[in-house]
Formats: sequence, C-alpha cells, structure tokens
Amino acid sequence: EVVMTQSPATLSVSPGERATLSCRASQSVSTNLAWYQQRPGQAPRLLIYGASTRATGIPARFSGSGSGTEFTLTISSLQSEDLAVYYCQQYNNWPPYTFGQGTRLAIK
Amino acid sequence: QVQLMQSGAEVKKPGASVKVSCMASGYIFSNYAISWVRQAPGQGLEWVGWISGSNGNARYAERFQGRVTMTTDTSTSTVYLELRSLRSDDTAVYYCTRPASYYPLSPFDIWGQGTLVIVSS
Repeated sequence: EVVMTQSPATLSVSPGERATLSCRASQSVSTNLAWYQQRPGQAPRLLIYGASTRATGIPARFSGSGSGTEFTLTISSLQSEDLAVYYCQQYNNWPPYTFGQGTRLAIK
Repeated sequence: QVQLMQSGAEVKKPGASVKVSCMASGYIFSNYAISWVRQAPGQGLEWVGWISGSNGNARYAERFQGRVTMTTDTSTSTVYLELRSLRSDDTAVYYCTRPASYYPLSPFDIWGQGTLVIVSS
C-alpha cells in the first residue's frame, strides 16, 4: 500500500499571501496524484489531477507540481473562501486508493 | 449534468448491517466505475472499495474484506454499499464517487452528497 504523508497538518495564512502544502508518497506514483479541497460540511472537490493539471472551473491561483514521491500544492494569493482541508490522493497503485491525512488551511 | 444522489442518514446498532444507495444520472452508467470513500467524524478520507458499472466486478480495501458488498442495479443506474457487523468505529459519512474517465488511472471528479451512518447502542 502506498502511504501518503502531508505537511503541515495545519497552516495559517493571511489573505493575499501564498500557501504551500506538501505531500509525500512512500513509493513513486509517477504523476498520478490528485489534490482535493473539502470545505466544512461539503464533499471533497477535485482541484488538481496529473499532479499539475487544474480541474474544470478551478481558479488559476491553484497550482500543483511534482512527480515521483514529492508533490506541492500552491495557492498563490489566498482568498477567504479557500478555508478548507486539502487532501492529496494517489491513483497510480490501487487497490487501495490512498489519501494523505489532510492539511487544514486557516485564514489569519 | 452528471450527479450522484445518495440515500439518507442511517442509525444502526452494533452488529447490524446497513445498505446505502447511490443513484447516478447524466452519463452512461456502464461506462464508469464507482468507488466508496468514507470519513469518520473529524478524520480524513478512507477508500472502502470500487465496483465496475459495466460488469459488477468489485474490489474492496483489505480491512473491509468479508464485511462489505457492493452491487449495481443497471436498470436504475444505482450502486449499493452494504456493510455488515457494524461497529462504533464505522460511524462516518460515506461518499460515492466517480472517476473522471474510464481509464484505470483516473482521479475522482464527481462526488455524492454523502450519507451519514451512525452506529450506536
């Protein structure tokens, strides 16, 4: 099973500033890595797939990078609506699909 | 538009079974698989299993083997998740989710609204 580890667990960022979230895989997942945003009380929403491709309707301030075992999600200019928990997920080696434990993004 | 509509909340006693449904619309049901993902209160996302929309083949996470069954009803484009021998730590929101494409390596881009299952004596 591929173990996904996210850091930090919690991140507090001021509006307009940059947020950088990290995700590490226990073995290579190539670029078969997705990021999801989960706002309070909502289902997850796909943000990024293929490590760096934005899903339909996702604002350009969200970007992803990385390959193999190290990945990054960057929010270039934080907005209040970005308050959420962010999860990475690998879909390269399944079953099982595996998720990171999440990074909680708070607005300062 | 593509939608997954799930059944309502359930309250069950320990040892009982629960069956949650997920009705798909807006796409050709047999072209896509459906996965189930659960989320315990305040916790992260955990994949439960996968079922093909074309032939009903299913794959389950190892920790649920023997307790879970996923089935499809192609006449109503509905997927079912049955979990047996419920324990208190099965209390969670259960989501059905569809991959973005029918290729094997694909993220989940459509999600149901979630079904809360509470296991309590």
